Amino acid sequence: EVQLVESGGGLVQPGGSLRLSCAASEFTFSIYWMHWVRQAPGKGLEWVSRINSDGSSTIYADYVKGRFTISRDNAKNTLYLQMNSLRAEDTAVYYCARAAGNYYGSGSLYWGQGTLVTVSS
Amino acid sequence: NFMLTQPHSVSESPGKTVTISCTGSSGNIASNYVQWYQQRPGSAPTTVIYEDNQRPSGVPDRFSGSIDSSSNSASLTISELKTEDEADYYCQSYDSTNQRRVFGGGTQLTVL
Repeated sequence: EVQLVESGGGLVQPGGSLRLSCAASEFTFSIYWMHWVRQAPGKGLEWVSRINSDGSSTIYADYVKGRFTISRDNAKNTLYLQMNSLRAEDTAVYYCARAAGNYYGSGSLYWGQGTLVTVSS
Repeated sequence: NFMLTQPHSVSESPGKTVTISCTGSSGNIASNYVQWYQQRPGSAPTTVIYEDNQRPSGVPDRFSGSIDSSSNSASLTISELKTEDEADYYCQSYDSTNQRRVFGGGTQLTVL
């Protein structure tokens, strides 16, 4: 069974940084595109970023572009999200998700359980 | 930018059939795949439909997805409703103009 386990969330002050990790198992991580999706408290799902299978192509939502960096280590079967210059509005549960297929319009097929990021002084 | 619009809430009785719509703001919704995600309270999302009408393994065939190009909309239909189907449902597609994924605002399904 595909497993995605996020970690690294926590409380951080505005302007601070945090790095999230997503450990993947029970599938060949290196061949799948991956996404980060977030959900603010009481709000809907919001796409954050996507990375292709070898890490050579990334794309970001406008609200995180220039502040967040998605990356992956295929040798460690791990996806990352480096979050800098954090704002209160970045407070959310962050989910990693595996794409259904390796193409631009692909949706998510598998989801992790999420990790909570709280940005507050 | 491309947007997806869903009804805020729907309700239906157990055993009945409900359809949740997802309307694209522009273009042709059939140009990119639509996915549907279920999120029960306090839980992570799960995928119930991907690539317009494909069910992941383990998702019962009571769940089905379709596309209507004439209305530029996608639909999720759940038949033989069970109380366990009570959840928030989100549609998701892709904005070809900027290569970004787009989620609908979500629909709260109440089964009572």
